[in-house]
Amino acid sequence: EPEVTQTPSHQVTQMGQEVILRCVPISNHLYFYWYRQILGQKVEFLVSFYNNEISEKSEIFDDQFSVERPDGSNFTLKIRSTKLEDSAMYFCASSPPNTGELFFGEGSRLTVL
Amino acid sequence: GENVEQHPSTLSVQEGDSAVIKCTYSDSASNYFPWYKQELGKRPQLIIDIRSNVGEKKDQRIAVTLNKTAKHFSLHITETQPEDSAVYFCAASDSSSGGYNKLIFGAGTRLAVHP
Repeated sequence: EPEVTQTPSHQVTQMGQEVILRCVPISNHLYFYWYRQILGQKVEFLVSFYNNEISEKSEIFDDQFSVERPDGSNFTLKIRSTKLEDSAMYFCASSPPNTGELFFGEGSRLTVL
Repeated sequence: GENVEQHPSTLSVQEGDSAVIKCTYSDSASNYFPWYKQELGKRPQLIIDIRSNVGEKKDQRIAVTLNKTAKHFSLHITETQPEDSAVYFCAASDSSSGGYNKLIFGAGTRLAVHP
């Protein structure tokens, strides 16, 4: 069964450093998403992406965040200058063109020291 | 924008009992209501979903009911087993026919099933 894959599974970084989280969505899916889950809290929407551009973003997704699809398979989330409060699990998800069901990756745990 | 409230935050039941988790949503345009199960350190896994043209859906021991007028939906787990222990999240979205689906999640319910 096809899966959304994410790398790295865990990244530890120093405050102020740039981080790139990578995702490979399921191949026939058209919509891609990033969600964030701070430890013990709810899953929060960050951004959605369709046809090579952002379709919607939340207030959390400020200027330090960016997303891109650099090639035909990868979908990346970049955090330019990490802060302590960026420590969280980041989930990538994708949805197919008909049902809209979200398929989540295993997540990338980001720890900012 | 959409806001989803979920209750209770924790739920403890004995094995074999039923568990009910309730959610309310604010946006009357929402038409897709999935439930996810999340085990510790794992991704959310879809367990059941319901669309607004249906009032109830059942899959073995799991059922979901939807009341569009009252804007609430519930998850029912019957004959609970210890492996049902996890955090359960409800979500809502205004799912388009093209497949776009921005989910807004509730705060989660930690279910503990005791043998």
